Amino acid sequence: EPEVTQTPSHQVTQMGQEVILRCVPISNHLYFYWYRQILGQKVEFLVSFYNNEISEKSEIFDDQFSVERPDGSNFTLKIRSTKLEDSAMYFCASSTQGDTEAFFGQGTRLTVV
Amino acid sequence: AQSVTQLDSQVPVFEEAPVELRCNYSSSVSVYLFWYVQYPNQGLQLLLKYLSGSTLVKGINGFEAEFNKSQTSFHLRKPSVHISDTAEYFCAVKKAAGNKLTFGGGTRVLVKP
Repeated sequence: EPEVTQTPSHQVTQMGQEVILRCVPISNHLYFYWYRQILGQKVEFLVSFYNNEISEKSEIFDDQFSVERPDGSNFTLKIRSTKLEDSAMYFCASSTQGDTEAFFGQGTRLTVV
Repeated sequence: AQSVTQLDSQVPVFEEAPVELRCNYSSSVSVYLFWYVQYPNQGLQLLLKYLSGSTLVKGINGFEAEFNKSQTSFHLRKPSVHISDTAEYFCAVKKAAGNKLTFGGGTRVLVKP
């Protein structure tokens, strides 16, 4: 069964460093998303991506964040100059269309120290 | 904007007993409704969804949910739980014309033998 895969599963980084979280969405999906879940809090929407551009983003998704689809299979989230409060589980998701269900990856746990 | 409230943060239940997880939402526009499950150390998996039509929807693993528009609720039920149902359950909504999910805070179900 096709699935969304995320790498790495865990990432520890020093405050101020840049990290790139990687995702391989399901191959025939056209919409891609990043969500995050800070420990003990709700899963929050960060950004959606369609047709090689951001279609929607939340207020969390500021200039510190960027997304890219560098080739036909990967979808990445870059966090520049990480802060302690960026520590969270980051989920990638994809869907065939914008209004259908999203399929989620297993997440990348990011710890900023 | 949409919001989702899951009234119970934790629900302990004995094996083979029924369980109901409550979800209420608020939205000024039509929404689609989803329940996701997160097993320990795994990603979010779709249990079921309501897009339109019959208000009683059936999902995987014997779960079902009922959409009640007048009460703005989408409660999840299972008549007889198994140990393997121990997980965290998330209710989520999406604008019918949008592509971002808004999640509730989650309900942790602990099934006891």
